[in-house]
Amino acid sequence: QVQLQESGPGLVKPSQTLSLTCTVSGGSISSGDYYWSWIRQPPGKGLEWIGYIYYSGSTYYNPSLKSRVTISVDTSKNQFSLKLSSVTAADTAVYYCARGVRIAASPGDWFDPWGQGTLVTVSS
Amino acid sequence: DIQMTQSPSSVSASVGDRVTITCQASQGISSWLAWYQQKPGKAPKLLIYAASSLQSGVPSRFSGSGSGTDFTLTISSLQPEDFATYYCQQANSFPLTFGGGTKVEIK
Repeated sequence: QVQLQESGPGLVKPSQTLSLTCTVSGGSISSGDYYWSWIRQPPGKGLEWIGYIYYSGSTYYNPSLKSRVTISVDTSKNQFSLKLSSVTAADTAVYYCARGVRIAASPGDWFDPWGQGTLVTVSS
Repeated sequence: DIQMTQSPSSVSASVGDRVTITCQASQGISSWLAWYQQKPGKAPKLLIYAASSLQSGVPSRFSGSGSGTDFTLTISSLQPEDFATYYCQQANSFPLTFGGGTKVEIK
C-alpha cells in the first residue's frame, strides 16, 4: 500500500527557510487520482492544513501561510516538497505529508494515508 | 475560513461505554466531513469520510452522522485501543480546516 515519509532538518534558525521532502512509495504521484498535502501540528495543539500540490504542479495554499509557502513536486523521484520562509518559533511543529483523497463531487480532500511526521524546531 | 468546533474537549469513559463526540461547522458543509483518530506520537488515521462512510479496515463500532453544520462521531462500545484524540475536518471549501480535538481518556 502507499506509504509516505517526511525528511529534512529538525532544527531551523529564526528567519531562515524550512525545507522538507515527502517521499511516496507503493504508488505513483503521477497517477492523477490524488492531491498531495502538507499539514502541521504544533506541540500539544491541533492540526493546520498548509497546502496541496497536484502532480501537474498546480497548488493551493492556506491563505494564512501563502506569502511564505512553496510546495513543489518531482515526479521523477516520486516526491513533493515544502518550503516555508522567514520562520519564527511559532512555526515549530510536527510536519506531516498526506495523500488527499476526493470522491466524486467532493470539493476538497480528506487525508489517507499520512506520513509519520517530522518535528521541526525553530530556534537559534 | 470555516471554523470547526468540537465538544467536549475531553471525555472520560470506561471500556464498553458508548461515546459520542460532536463537531459543529460555522457554516453549512453538506456531508463533506471526515473524522480522524490520533494516538500519542503518531499520525492521524482516517476513520470516517463523507460524514458517515467507514474507511476500509476501521472497526464497525465507529460510526458518523450528520449533515449541514452538525455532526457526530459515535463509538458504540469503547475498546482499550480507542483511547486517543479525535479530530473532525471539513472538506467543503479551502482552506481545509480541523476541529480542535476531543481527547478520550480512561475513567
